[in-house]
Amino acid sequence: DTAVSQTPKYLVTQMGNDKSIKCEQNLGHDTMYWYKQDSKKFLKIMFSYNNKELIINETVPNRFSPKSPDKAHLNLHINSLELGDSAVYFCASSQKGREISGNTIYFGEGSWLTVV
Amino acid sequence: GDSVTQMEGPVTLSEEACLTINCTYTATGYPSLFWYVQYPGEGLQLLLKATKADDKGSNKGFEATYRKETTSFHLEKGSVQVSDSAVYFCALSLSKLTFGKGITLSVRP
Repeated sequence: DTAVSQTPKYLVTQMGNDKSIKCEQNLGHDTMYWYKQDSKKFLKIMFSYNNKELIINETVPNRFSPKSPDKAHLNLHINSLELGDSAVYFCASSQKGREISGNTIYFGEGSWLTVV
Repeated sequence: GDSVTQMEGPVTLSEEACLTINCTYTATGYPSLFWYVQYPGEGLQLLLKATKADDKGSNKGFEATYRKETTSFHLEKGSVQVSDSAVYFCALSLSKLTFGKGITLSVRP
């Protein structure tokens, strides 16, 4: 039973295209996240949702738009893809919302996006 | 802002060698501290955590102690295995999870 699952795992697409990455968690958690891992393995949070409400929105281009239809799903849509968007995108979830200190964040297996 | 500093890598060890990966943090409050591990081609897995000063997290032979006085959370293992080869991330959590840059560990047979 996969706790946090995201699809697709690999995605190769051309510049200018629009693509989506889907994420689902079956842990019953209230909070979900998107992280980006660059080519140097550096991880940075992009967005966080708590019960479908956006609570963290780091400095991310407007081309990136998260959508949370319910608290078990958080999808990431990217418009007008650029070469610099090539990265691994991780979805994650945790039990509580605003007070997450101490709560473990569970990660999906990542989506490897390559823009050519 | 909050930040995590990890020692520079990569690190290459022979099997059964001792491992220490240094991690220090800067935070405005009292964070929880984590070590995550990323095996090749996989996502991140929680390795261990500590939620308050002097707590020791441990898992799979790895240990780390939350040292408030030195703002550190160094990862240690007495005898590494080839299967420990991975990228290790130190992280702190207050309002959000903040990662260090990660360090790649390679263990030779």
